[in-house]
Amino acid sequence: AQSVSQHNHHVILSEAASLELGCNYSYGGTVNLFWYVQYPGQHLQLLLKYFSGDPLVKGIKGFEAEFIKSKFSFNLRKPSVQWSDTAEYFCAVDDPNSGYALNFGKGTSLLVTP
Amino acid sequence: ETGVTQSPTHLIKTRGQQVTLRCSSQSGHNTVSWYQQALGQGPQFIFQYYREEENGRGNFPPRFSGLQFPNYSSELNVNALELDDSALYLCASSLRQGLMNTEAFFGQGTRLTVV
Repeated sequence: AQSVSQHNHHVILSEAASLELGCNYSYGGTVNLFWYVQYPGQHLQLLLKYFSGDPLVKGIKGFEAEFIKSKFSFNLRKPSVQWSDTAEYFCAVDDPNSGYALNFGKGTSLLVTP
Repeated sequence: ETGVTQSPTHLIKTRGQQVTLRCSSQSGHNTVSWYQQALGQGPQFIFQYYREEENGRGNFPPRFSGLQFPNYSSELNVNALELDDSALYLCASSLRQGLMNTEAFFGQGTRLTVV
């Protein structure tokens, strides 16, 4: 069965620090990959997605992610975080065996301190 | 705002009772998915509906059931509630194009507490 693993459950950074959140998936076929963010008290929203093409994808709010097929990874990065980036971050892959519904990782809680 | 609305926002039920949660999809979307998010966990896929039929299901027992209506709104029903059913229930809508879905938009969820 497909699975998504996020390596860091809790991350604390100071403002202006660089961010990299790890995500690995287990699935042998073609995958579509996503990063979602959940700000405190708000709904889940899409940061970025990879369907095909350039493995380096750019999303909203200065986030980017790189798909490395050989490593089954889709790590999220941001060069300089802001206090407003404090949120839960979820990596997800869509599952063709479930109508392309999303299979989420357990999430990473990011706290950015001023 | 995503255009996906869920009701109620909060609910407290007693173990053994039944509950119905509702979701109104974003305009133009024809697919709705339901997820359960326990505290400190990622959302877990329950099931998905497309054109009023279930077309995908996660690892949840049959007491979790759903409906999608002609206007693409949806219900999630849970029978014989258990304490472990306490969670945030998320609805997401998307547009099915060919075999795949476009970006999923999520509602703010219904917080269910079973006591």
